[in-house]
Amino acid sequence: DAGITQSPRHKVTETGTPVTLRCHQTENHRYMYWYRQDPGHGLRLIHYSYGVKDTDKGEVSDGYSVSRSKTEDFLLTLESATSSQTSVYFCAISESTGSSGEQYFGPGTRLTVT
Amino acid sequence: KQEVTQIPAALSVPEGENLVLNCSFTDSAIYNLQWFRQDPGKGLTSLLLIQSSQREQTSGRLNASLDKSSGRSTLYIAASQPGDSATYLCAVRHASGGSYIPTFGRGTSLIVHP
Repeated sequence: DAGITQSPRHKVTETGTPVTLRCHQTENHRYMYWYRQDPGHGLRLIHYSYGVKDTDKGEVSDGYSVSRSKTEDFLLTLESATSSQTSVYFCAISESTGSSGEQYFGPGTRLTVT
Repeated sequence: KQEVTQIPAALSVPEGENLVLNCSFTDSAIYNLQWFRQDPGKGLTSLLLIQSSQREQTSGRLNASLDKSSGRSTLYIAASQPGDSATYLCAVRHASGGSYIPTFGRGTSLIVHP
């Protein structure tokens, strides 16, 4: 298994509070991704990173920000959590984005916003 | 916009059957297609990656094929076992506004009963 950890694994928070989720990799892969998974919607890309300090928006980026100050860490921040952000969040990594760019996923973080 | 569809959404079969799961995509200009397995409450596990220049990949009892011109991929599972019960997702990596991001299907939920 690719060396990807996510923390925390479970979190319950109140509406309006800030929340930061962490993804840590030991594979030295250049690309990192944050997805959310919801019933009826499948996996949707929130933000991704193509290098240290290089990030871009995905399909559902509103209400989320990211930072990557080191190759191994990619942080996802909910500035002011809302109930619609209750979801399971997955981090993924890949060495490239070309045809050989296989993605590997972390174990996920279950976030509940009350 | 790339759209990925997986049919059927759910499948229940007796142990020992050979299965075919389908994945179709609307834009044939893809870089690769990846099949994943997801167990309940877990992250995604990569099964097979087919590069755009390849027609198929095999791993044990799994065989995935790719027909870019028709926008289709199939995952063939030989001699199914109860341990194959999981949700199977496909993802296509394609060019989108200068980036190369994956788009996921919603998955096929497979139950193999003894």
